[in-house]
Amino acid sequence: DGGITQSPKYLFRKEGQNVTLSCEQNLNHDAMYWYRQDPGQGLRLIYYSQIVNDFQKGDIAEGYSVSREKKESFPLTVTSAQKNPTAFYLCASRFRATYYEQYFGPGTRLTVT
Amino acid sequence: EDKVVQSPLSLVVHEGDTVTLNCSYEVTNFRSLLWYKQEKKAPTFLFMLTSSGIEKKSGRLSSILDKKELFSILNITATQTGDSAIYLCAVEASTGANSKLTFGKGITLSVRP
Repeated sequence: DGGITQSPKYLFRKEGQNVTLSCEQNLNHDAMYWYRQDPGQGLRLIYYSQIVNDFQKGDIAEGYSVSREKKESFPLTVTSAQKNPTAFYLCASRFRATYYEQYFGPGTRLTVT
Repeated sequence: EDKVVQSPLSLVVHEGDTVTLNCSYEVTNFRSLLWYKQEKKAPTFLFMLTSSGIEKKSGRLSSILDKKELFSILNITATQTGDSAIYLCAVEASTGANSKLTFGKGITLSVRP
């Protein structure tokens, strides 16, 4: 089955620890995206990548880092510099960078205490 | 800065009612407007609109874009409890060689039996 997978579904971390969220797609999509969703805030773009080995900061990139070494994978690291890391994180991909809909993974809920 | 505003932020209706969800935007280099439905996890794609005045329809859902007045509406007729969800509007804008989506905060629709 083609799709986008994110793991784990729920993640708990102590404050001060870095944590990496996984996102994999087997749809042969060029572009991949990371969003953060907080209650009442909609989705906010963290980072996006339109081709392998290239990525751009979104609207709220501070405290996050990404890599895009393979077309299928776009992991997101939440660093200890991110002041409010507890949130629902959604990964998305699209076939080409423009004029195509984005497909979303099931999300990872990160709780940092 | 690109801006997408959805209204109302929440809505409670009874089964069988018709609802209209609004999305207005201010973006530079508009490319498309997308509607998504989010029930608990991943948003699912509903419509992509690129041209003014052309209605897109899928069952009881329909949507139209007005590029002159910078807004879109999503109509749901004969609502059912299964329509209860958050409805997200997103606008794609070009950023030079790239493009990205800016999401509104979402409209929470509750359909009571």
